[in-house]
Amino acid sequence: GENVEQHPSTLSVQEGDSAVIKCTYSDSASNYFPWYKQELGKRPQLIIDIRSNVGEKKDQRIAVTLNKTAKHFSLHITETQPEDSAVYFCAASRGGGYNKLIFGAGTRLAVHP
Amino acid sequence: SQTIHQWPATLVQPVGSPLSLECTVEGTSNPNLYWYRQAAGRGLQLLFYSVGIGQISSEVPQNLSASRPQDRQFILSSKKLLLSDSGFYLCACPQEEGREKLFFGSGTQLSVL
Repeated sequence: GENVEQHPSTLSVQEGDSAVIKCTYSDSASNYFPWYKQELGKRPQLIIDIRSNVGEKKDQRIAVTLNKTAKHFSLHITETQPEDSAVYFCAASRGGGYNKLIFGAGTRLAVHP
Repeated sequence: SQTIHQWPATLVQPVGSPLSLECTVEGTSNPNLYWYRQAAGRGLQLLFYSVGIGQISSEVPQNLSASRPQDRQFILSSKKLLLSDSGFYLCACPQEEGREKLFFGSGTQLSVL
């Protein structure tokens, strides 16, 4: 089955700096790669996703890149703000009717003012 | 838009006691439903998913079971809880915008003592 590895496990940056979180996946048939943000004690919320037919996607300060050949994808947050502090999870799935999302272990991002 | 109701929000149970967590979904019909568990400081582990009434697939061998007695109801159960069953349990269903995008309930924090 699919295995998703995520690193780093913790990341500390100064406000205004960029943050990058990287994930690798094992199943070459995976074609859907979302990123979730989870604040303390809250539900994970989808912030951006990418499909395998696209190499990069941006949404304001957030971008995701995908390298299908190397089977890795990354989340880039620019001009970080304290409210970006949270745990971020990457995930991968084959999509389709069953769509079993397999998650990475998460990255705890701390943005210091 | 869809809504997921999960209860209770928090639960403290002794080892060996039974468990029943309920998830109900509104605003969608015949959804895929998922149970995830998040151990303290860990990632999201897929426990069960269901594509319809009475159809349950288990992802990992464990002390838990799931049932789907109605289209929009998903129940997680255990006959005898273990310490290792502690965690944050999240029910999920596909978002309206795309069935690959998962929407999570607010979760149940279970502590087994």
